[in-house]
Amino acid sequence: DIVMTQSPDTLAVSLGERATVNCKSSQNILYDSNNKNYLAWYQQKPGQPPRLLIYWASTRESGVPDRFSGSGSGTDFTLTISSLQAEDVAVYYCQQYYISPPTFGQGTRLEIK
Amino acid sequence: QVQLQESGPGLVKPSETLSLTCTVSNGSISNYYWNWVRQPPGKGLEWIGNIYNSGSANYIPSLKSRVAISVDASKNQFSMELSSVTTADTAVYYCARSDNKFYFDSWGQGTLVTVSS
Repeated sequence: DIVMTQSPDTLAVSLGERATVNCKSSQNILYDSNNKNYLAWYQQKPGQPPRLLIYWASTRESGVPDRFSGSGSGTDFTLTISSLQAEDVAVYYCQQYYISPPTFGQGTRLEIK
Repeated sequence: QVQLQESGPGLVKPSETLSLTCTVSNGSISNYYWNWVRQPPGKGLEWIGNIYNSGSANYIPSLKSRVAISVDASKNQFSMELSSVTTADTAVYYCARSDNKFYFDSWGQGTLVTVSS
């Protein structure tokens, strides 16, 4: 199985500041034939299901605010929130779908400083 | 907007079988993969398996001997059975939709299943 490792486990950022979450896969998840990275990001607020934010490493899902962006390729990926809002407090997960079984990172808890 | 809703018992005894159903509304069950994902209390997400509307199913190897996922297209429902449960199977169980790329774009609200005598 591909192991997804996120850092940090917990992140405290001031309102209006940039938040950056990192995700590393244990093997390459860039498919050469279509040049796509098989990586998604989710946001989970307490008591709620995960919400898809980004897929193909950098494509925002419909309705997701443009302060959320994804980047990276191969084995190293980043989720960036450009200006943290109070409603962004949540746990964030990355997930690879390059090979089965799809696997998730352990999650990064984002808090307000 | 498609909606998914899990249903089933919230309490299951050890060694028994956990059975859950997901009802899909505001959309067809055709042409998508239908997934089960679980989350132990305070922990991360684990994909259990999925099924296509044709009935072809895939499972995580660690649970493959105990899990079965089925689909009833006439009812717009799919179901999961997990046998010989232990306390380690206590979790919130989510149903979720994906296409053949296996990222999950719609989720149910989740249902907590506790394994306890």
